[in-house]
Amino acid sequence: GEDVEQSLFLSVREGDSSVINCTYTDSSSTYLYWYKQEPGAGLQLLTYIFSNMDMKQDQRLTVLLNKKDKHLSLRIADTQTGDSAIYFCAETPDRGSTLGRLYFGRGTQLTVWP
Amino acid sequence: DAGITQSPRHKVTETGTPVTLRCHQTENHRYMYWYRQDPGHGLRLIHYSYGVKDTDKGEVSDGYSVSRSKTEDFLLTLESATSSQTSVYFCAISEIGNTGELFFGEGSRLTVL
Repeated sequence: GEDVEQSLFLSVREGDSSVINCTYTDSSSTYLYWYKQEPGAGLQLLTYIFSNMDMKQDQRLTVLLNKKDKHLSLRIADTQTGDSAIYFCAETPDRGSTLGRLYFGRGTQLTVWP
Repeated sequence: DAGITQSPRHKVTETGTPVTLRCHQTENHRYMYWYRQDPGHGLRLIHYSYGVKDTDKGEVSDGYSVSRSKTEDFLLTLESATSSQTSVYFCAISEIGNTGELFFGEGSRLTVL
């Protein structure tokens, strides 16, 4: 079955860049996603990348995809204390009717120190 | 924010009692999902629905059933709650033709004593 792995914890100082890494096993993944979860809340989509792309940039966020190595990363530039949250990597397999059925990693707890 | 409402938001119950969690959406999205979130496990899919009266099992469906009699409502039922079902339950919705992203509710925290 699908397997998505991420490191569990990351600590950075305010103003530094954060890089959260993710690996996945399903070579047929079509879309890969980064979600953010703040305490006591549901998950919110931060960004996504289609599998035929290598990079996507959205303001302070940069997503890099290495499809050969099945490696996805999320870089947050100029990290702020408000970025402290759990970040989930997720992927969806290329199977028509199951589009939208996502497989999630365990989440990376990002702590930003002032 | 997507119009997704989960109820109840918090519930404490005893082992062996039935529990029903409700998810209500105002987006008219076709797909609805129930996930559970546990420390160290991330999110795991329990059941999902791809239309009224059309449901299917996810990865951790044992002990759970679902029903969808209307587009806007997706119910998750624990017929006889166990302590292993203590968790935070999230409802999510999506629509075909989009890029597959899910929109999540705020979660329902269930404690089974």
